[in-house]
Amino acid sequence: KNQVEQSPQSLIILEGKNCTLQCNYTVSPFSNLRWYKQDTGRGPVSLTIMTFSENTKSNGRYTATLDADTKQSSLHITASQLSDSASYICVVSAVRGGSYIPTFGRGTSLIVHP
Amino acid sequence: NAGVTQTPKFQVLKTGQSMTLQCAQDMNHNSMYWYRQDPGMGLRLIYYSASEGTTDKGEVPNGYNVSRLNKREFSLRLESAAPSQTSVYFCASSGSTRPQETQYFGPGTRLLVL
Repeated sequence: KNQVEQSPQSLIILEGKNCTLQCNYTVSPFSNLRWYKQDTGRGPVSLTIMTFSENTKSNGRYTATLDADTKQSSLHITASQLSDSASYICVVSAVRGGSYIPTFGRGTSLIVHP
Repeated sequence: NAGVTQTPKFQVLKTGQSMTLQCAQDMNHNSMYWYRQDPGMGLRLIYYSASEGTTDKGEVPNGYNVSRLNKREFSLRLESAAPSQTSVYFCASSGSTRPQETQYFGPGTRLLVL
């Protein structure tokens, strides 16, 4: 069964600090891995997408890494801001017979304190 | 440019009642999706429509029906609501169902079934 596990479940940091969120997956056949940011009461917004051959992808202060061999990804947030407080969701996609099959992680809830 | 809009924002139903959740997008996207998000769980795909005139089941289709009314609109119907369908429902759209396409999410509909 395809699974995406995220850790930690929740995280509290001080404004200006860095943090790293983890995503482990058992999804096959792997197509790509995407990180979303979901603000409270809103829909998810895509931050980065990575395919099998990509190791690192940045979007401003967000940097995602992918190790396809160990099936692990991380999202590093640099110099956190209060607006980074949100849930961060890892989504791994597989394609079978032309069908689209996304598997969503449960998310990591990040709180940034002033 | 509103993106993806959903109505209603909130709804309370009694067990056995029916209702239709509406979704519309103004990005000229071919593909549209319905997800549900439950506390402590990742988003799960209910149904999707790869293009106007087609619909396919996702991971959790039981108890739901969908209609792709036209290219812009994709509705989700609960024929006989059950408490287990209490959830937040998100509609999304993308250019196609290829996993590398970014999905754009609506703000969600919060449904409580008593």
